[in-house]
Amino acid sequence: LAKTTQPISMDSYEGQEVNITCSHNNIATNDYITWYQQFPSQGPRFIIQGYKTKVTNEVASLFIPADRKSSTLSLPRVSLSDTAVYYCLVGAFTGNQFYFGTGTSLTVIP
Amino acid sequence: SAVISQKPSRDICQRGTSLTIQCQVDSQVTMMFWYRQQPGQSLTLIATANQGSEATYESGFVIDKFPISRPNLTFSTLTVSNMSPEDSSIYLCSVVWDGGYEQYFGPGTRLTVT
Repeated sequence: LAKTTQPISMDSYEGQEVNITCSHNNIATNDYITWYQQFPSQGPRFIIQGYKTKVTNEVASLFIPADRKSSTLSLPRVSLSDTAVYYCLVGAFTGNQFYFGTGTSLTVIP
Repeated sequence: SAVISQKPSRDICQRGTSLTIQCQVDSQVTMMFWYRQQPGQSLTLIATANQGSEATYESGFVIDKFPISRPNLTFSTLTVSNMSPEDSSIYLCSVVWDGGYEQYFGPGTRLTVT
């Protein structure tokens, strides 16, 4: 069962690039890696998903090394509105197993 | 984009009673899930709501305590039975659309048991 480990919290100044790493040593062959953002009193919001190498969309990039035992979410030029909790999720729908990480509380400082 | 709604948004209940939470999607979905998020904690999967059959529960969650229904492809309910203060949490439903792999979450139901 793929468990994940993330830093509990991070601080960053506005305009900087933020990289949040998630460890998932027991990831299975058919597991995908997905990152979510959660603001207080809201449900998590999908950010990005990948299986291997690099994925980029309009809000973030996801870097996954060849062994897939970790992944890094990269947020370019963060703003105050990026202050939130970010979760790493590893799982596969066929197995119906989803393990959210502990979450990383990102605080963006003016 | 599709809308996922939950009712009620919040409730305060007395111990020993039950509450049914509804999750409604405005389009058909392949999969529906129920999660619990205790204050300041991460999300924990309770069960997968299966259309037309019994839900699939994760370790530590049982049908007698958390009965789930999914009568069609757009609607599901989660009941929290015989509540105790330890059941005070946010309960969230999530869905996956056909052909997709990412989950989309409802706004959550904040439950307080006194």
